[in-house]
Amino acid sequence: SAVISQKPSRDICQRGTSLTIQCQVDSQVTMMFWYRQQPGQSLTLIATANQGSEATYESGFVIDKFPISRPNLTFSTLTVSNMSPEDSSIYLCSVGPNTEAFFGQGTRLTVV
Amino acid sequence: AQRVTQPEKLLSVFKGAPVELKCNYSYSGSPELFWYVQYSRQRLQLLLRHISRESIKGFTADLNKGETSFHLKKPFAQEEDSAMYYCALSGGSYIPTFGRGTSLIVHP
Repeated sequence: SAVISQKPSRDICQRGTSLTIQCQVDSQVTMMFWYRQQPGQSLTLIATANQGSEATYESGFVIDKFPISRPNLTFSTLTVSNMSPEDSSIYLCSVGPNTEAFFGQGTRLTVV
Repeated sequence: AQRVTQPEKLLSVFKGAPVELKCNYSYSGSPELFWYVQYSRQRLQLLLRHISRESIKGFTADLNKGETSFHLKKPFAQEEDSAMYYCALSGGSYIPTFGRGTSLIVHP
């Protein structure tokens, strides 16, 4: 298993600003993922954070809006850029590859 | 493409009643299926997986390949079962696909 620490746990941000979310894992992992969890909707995969190379983004998500860093095998950041109220959501970090997914506690973002 | 469908957004039952949370999937290969649970103010965590064929907290789930279903069942619901439940499928990529989730509310 893996223990994942994510911060901040919540934030309220002004539109037009950016927020960087950190994800720290207690062991080295090959794959790290970022999800968005919106009320009443499924977990949506934003991107796979690759160590040593650019992140792999899912359809509908772009690097300019959600830049991701992965400097080593235990840490990743997701930045939500130029925020609008539509970005209000919970953002989750997850690790793999294992068939079982482990999650951080999430970052609840509110954009006003 | 892999897809997971949870038809119910909300399921409301009384304590002691049976519970069945539905999950249907679409996948061309041999899937691995999971149920994840998120209790209030806690992180999303694994409840059970089909390959383990185990009962966790009284919950069971059987993979029915003919009906492409993996419904979660419990014969007698408890108030502490109130949570958000997600069905998930892992194919060859090891990146799970999640359903939209079902909120289970168990009334006293």
